[in-house]
Amino acid sequence: SQQGEEDPQALSIQEGENATMNCSYKTSINNLQWYRQNSGRGLVHLILIRSNEREKHSGRLRVTLDTSKKSSSLLITASRAADTASYFCATYSQGGSEKLVFGKGMKLTVNP
Amino acid sequence: DTEVTQTPKHLVMGMTNKKSLKCEQHMGHRAMYWYKQKAKKPPELMFVYSYEKLSINESVPSRFSPECPNSSLLNLHLHALQPEDSALYLCASSQDPRSNIQYFGAGTRLSVL
Repeated sequence: SQQGEEDPQALSIQEGENATMNCSYKTSINNLQWYRQNSGRGLVHLILIRSNEREKHSGRLRVTLDTSKKSSSLLITASRAADTASYFCATYSQGGSEKLVFGKGMKLTVNP
Repeated sequence: DTEVTQTPKHLVMGMTNKKSLKCEQHMGHRAMYWYKQKAKKPPELMFVYSYEKLSINESVPSRFSPECPNSSLLNLHLHALQPEDSALYLCASSQDPRSNIQYFGAGTRLSVL
């Protein structure tokens, strides 16, 4: 079953613009992670935010987490063509789950 | 070294064939995973190995048989697959099986004819 739902499902922007992706989930979580996948390749971990954190930064990435609304957002600032990829949120349920559940994913296209 | 290596990169097999997918990591991780991913879909968990023991089987058909010979290696044995099993098969590892970052291989693109 899929825990997270990204919104929007696809986004096309120009280089230099910011891209925001939202993720909603259903159960209480231990942490929420964002991964990137270039076409037909493996996933690359971007950032992890724990359930007791509200915001985290890593380079051009900013992640927020609202556990009361069971939602997260990923902001990519000053986008580049190389950011073109699919982005997935993923969660571990609270209680020591061994299962990482991925959202449906969002396809980001950054046009040069 | 944060690399997870999967072989082969591509595999074409008939429905009567037996083949194996291999995955290797040398990061000292104690959890390893197999995922199946169809086009434009998220990865779906198949199996979790925790400290070399199978801890999760997501009701995967028996034509898929996982094996963990040691803490660095993970195999997925394939037998009598169906065309609908064609997909990208991803291996991942993490330091331990709970709530950790997972490191993914590049995947094996499998086509079943």
